[in-house]
Amino acid sequence: NAGVTQTPKFQVLKTGQSMTLQCAQDMNHEYMSWYRQDPGMGLRLIHYSVGAGITDQGEVPNGYNVSRSTTEDFPLRLLSAAPSQTSVYFCASRAGSGNEQFFGPGTRLTVL
Amino acid sequence: DAKTTQPPSMDCAEGRAANLPCNHSTISGNEYVYWYRQIHSQGPQYIIHGLKNNETNEMASLIITEDRKSSTLILPHATLRDTAVYYCIVRDNTGGFKTIFGAGTRLFVKA
Repeated sequence: NAGVTQTPKFQVLKTGQSMTLQCAQDMNHEYMSWYRQDPGMGLRLIHYSVGAGITDQGEVPNGYNVSRSTTEDFPLRLLSAAPSQTSVYFCASRAGSGNEQFFGPGTRLTVL
Repeated sequence: DAKTTQPPSMDCAEGRAANLPCNHSTISGNEYVYWYRQIHSQGPQYIIHGLKNNETNEMASLIITEDRKSSTLILPHATLRDTAVYYCIVRDNTGGFKTIFGAGTRLFVKA
């Protein structure tokens, strides 16, 4: 198993540009989530999904959209990037409500 | 989900036990205590979790007080590779999915 994969590893955007961060898992996990981590801080939950077709907001959802059309994929969309969205983004998945989360390696995003 | 309080940083000598405390005084009866760690800028890694009994695995031990208002993660023989940020999280396993991370404890293991 590849586990949780994220692409790209690094990305630089200009203010106002849009992009999609990709996340995929091959463990058939129901639950997937997106976090952001700013320098020297803990992780903050952006959006999460409890299954295909079901998504919900986390702590800091503004400026981000998600969809979950398949069990495997959970892309995160930035519609109009802002410098405040400069951060490291982590995707995670887990099998069920009582299990551990598996994290991807992260995407480092810089918005100029 | 209940909130947790952890010291911002701790030091430990290599080869000694590292004891990382966590306060979760508002924990409810169906919430578990989870520990994760994040080495450098990698994705967090699961360590251990428990409800009320002490737990041990190949990585660490988790000691939860009888009133469940605090817990301690123990790394029995810390190595330099254990230098990381350790996160204590409490979460309801029966329903809600949200896993909220706090700031964690930055553990420095020194030679």
